[in-house]
Amino acid sequence: GAVVSQHPSWVICKSGTSVKIECRSLDFQATTMFWYRQFPKQSLMLMATSNEGSKATYEQGVEKDKFLINHASLTLSTLTVTSAHPEDSSFYICSARDSRGPFGRQPQHFGDGTRLSIL
Amino acid sequence: AQTVTQSQPEMSVQEAETVTLSCTYDTSENNYYLFWYKQPPSRQMILVIRQEAYKQQNATENRFSVNFQKAAKSFSLKISDSQLGDTAMYFCAFLNQAGTALIFGKGTTLSVSS
Repeated sequence: GAVVSQHPSWVICKSGTSVKIECRSLDFQATTMFWYRQFPKQSLMLMATSNEGSKATYEQGVEKDKFLINHASLTLSTLTVTSAHPEDSSFYICSARDSRGPFGRQPQHFGDGTRLSIL
Repeated sequence: AQTVTQSQPEMSVQEAETVTLSCTYDTSENNYYLFWYKQPPSRQMILVIRQEAYKQQNATENRFSVNFQKAAKSFSLKISDSQLGDTAMYFCAFLNQAGTALIFGKGTTLSVSS
């Protein structure tokens, strides 16, 4: 079945550093990918929609200069948390929409998530 | 804007029993898609079942079935013959016809005990 690879699965880094998370569709093209953030025992909150070849669309309250998204190819989107601080610690999940099939019925496939811990 | 509400933060059930998780949503659209996702402790998102709003027939997937009431904007999940492996957080999700991002409810933590 369709697979989305998200890397790294867990990262610990010092405050002030930047961290890049990759989301890659392995066997399908994804013109649209989504980035979510999840705090423990809470729901997935949409951060931004990433469209191949164009700027990402950020949800209200999400700092676009803080969370840089690049979707340079049909199979790869990256999320860079710039100058990360402890409050950025969270679980980040990407999903990729399979471009095949009728627009409204294109399935979305999730990566396994990245646990980010900022010390 | 669409919203998804799950009013049961936690549920528990014994093995082999049946449990129903509730979900309501709000939308002005006529065509859309509804989903139930399972998130076990591994935090992997697993699609459980999908319902297309234009289909009146309730979706079923083995032990999982839904009760879709379009007029009431209700979409509950029934798990029959519960198994220990069903222990997880369950999210109800809405997708509009334009296929933008999934909108999730707050989730229900289900515990299955022996």
